[in-house]
Amino acid sequence: GQQVMQIPQYQHVQEGEDFTTYCNSSTTLSNIQWYKQRPGGHPVFLIQLVKSGEVKKQKRLTFQFGEAKKNSSLHITATQTTDVGTYFCAAPMTTDSWGKLQFGAGTQVVVTP
Amino acid sequence: SQTIHQWPATLVQPVGSPLSLECTVEGTSNPNLYWYRQAAGRGLQLLFYSVGIGQISSEVPQNLSASRPQDRQFILSSKKLLLSDSGFYLCASAITSKNIQYFGAGTRLSVL
Repeated sequence: GQQVMQIPQYQHVQEGEDFTTYCNSSTTLSNIQWYKQRPGGHPVFLIQLVKSGEVKKQKRLTFQFGEAKKNSSLHITATQTTDVGTYFCAAPMTTDSWGKLQFGAGTQVVVTP
Repeated sequence: SQTIHQWPATLVQPVGSPLSLECTVEGTSNPNLYWYRQAAGRGLQLLFYSVGIGQISSEVPQNLSASRPQDRQFILSSKKLLLSDSGFYLCASAITSKNIQYFGAGTRLSVL
């Protein structure tokens, strides 16, 4: 079945540095979504990528969808303490039409001042 | 936009007691609804989903059940809680034409 894998599982970043987290799928995806969960909070939708090779930016966050639509990345520039949290990628389950999403295990980001 | 209401925010229950968690949705009609469980520091495990009133699908066999008595109401229940039922329970809603899911604030359940 479809698997969505995220790496790294943990990311310790010095404030001001850049980092990238990756999401890989075993199958071609129709779209991919990214969510952020702050410590103690709930997942919040960030963005959806649909087109092959698509790149979208939200301030210091850059999201990319691979050309083969089997992988995605999230790059954060000049990390701030507000970036702390767990970032999940999620993709529609290919065998399902009821909107179920396959979530990756997440990348937990810790920012050191 | 959708607003997902979940309550209570935290709950401590003894083993063997019943459970009822409620989720209601505002701002949309006929949403797809989902219950997830998240263990501490872990990912999201889909428990149940519903595409309409009275239509429930279970993803994993367990001690829990779900019901959807109204279009925008989703209830998670158990007759007898187990220690392993502890976790962070999240309700999510999605409009049927899109996959994007909106989450409630969640309920932290501790079974002692």
